[in-house]
Amino acid sequence: DIVMTQTPLSSPVTLGQPASISCRSSQSLVHSDGNTYLSWLQQRPGQPPRLLIYKISNRFSGVPDRFSGSGAGTDFTLKISRVEAEDVGLYYCMQATQFPLYSFGQGTKLEIK
Amino acid sequence: EVHLVESGGGLVQPGGSLRLSCAASGFTFRNYWMSWVRQAPGKGPEWVANIKQDGSEKYYVDSVKGRFTISRDNAKNSLYLQMNSLRAEDTAVYYCARDQSGIGIDVWGKGTTVTVSS
Repeated sequence: DIVMTQTPLSSPVTLGQPASISCRSSQSLVHSDGNTYLSWLQQRPGQPPRLLIYKISNRFSGVPDRFSGSGAGTDFTLKISRVEAEDVGLYYCMQATQFPLYSFGQGTKLEIK
Repeated sequence: EVHLVESGGGLVQPGGSLRLSCAASGFTFRNYWMSWVRQAPGKGPEWVANIKQDGSEKYYVDSVKGRFTISRDNAKNSLYLQMNSLRAEDTAVYYCARDQSGIGIDVWGKGTTVTVSS
C-alpha cells in the first residue's frame, strides 16, 4: 500500500500571505498510463472534504486560482498564493494511482495567526 | 448539480450491524465507480470500499474485509454498505463518494455518523 505523508501538520499563516503544504508518497505515483494521480482536498470545519486539485496541478471546477499544485514522482506541494479567511481548515493529499485502492495523507491544519 | 445523500448511521453496540445507504442524483449513476470513505474523529479520511459500475468488481480495505459488503442498485441510483460485526474502531463519519475516471474521488456526500459503543 502507498503511504502518504504530509508536512507540516499545522501551518499558522497571516491573512494575505502565502502558504505551502508538502506531501510525500512511499512510492512513485506515476501510473503506467503516464499520468500521476495525486489530488489535494480541502475540509472546512464541519464540512465534508472537497476536491481542489487533481493530477498534481489541475484545479477542479470552481476552485480559485490562488490554489496551485506542483511536484512529480513522490514529492508534491500545494500552494495558496494569498491566504483568505475562508481557507482555514484541513488539507489532505490523496493518491489514486493505485486505483481502485486510494490512500490519504494525515492532514495539515491551516490556521490564521 | 451532483448530490450524494447518505443515511442509515446511528449508535450500535459492538458486534452489531448497520446498513448505510447513499442516494445519488444529478449524474448518470450507472456510469461511475462509487466509493465509501470514512473519517474517524480527529483523523484523516480512510477509503473503505468501492464498486464498479455494474457491480462486478468490489474492493475493500483490509480492516473491513469479511465484515462489510458494498452493493449498488443502478435502477434506484443508490449505493449501500452493509456493516456487520462492528467494532469500536469502526466509529466514524461515513461518506459516499463518486469515482471519476482520470481524477479519482471528485464528489463527496455530507456523510452519516456511525458510533459503535456499548
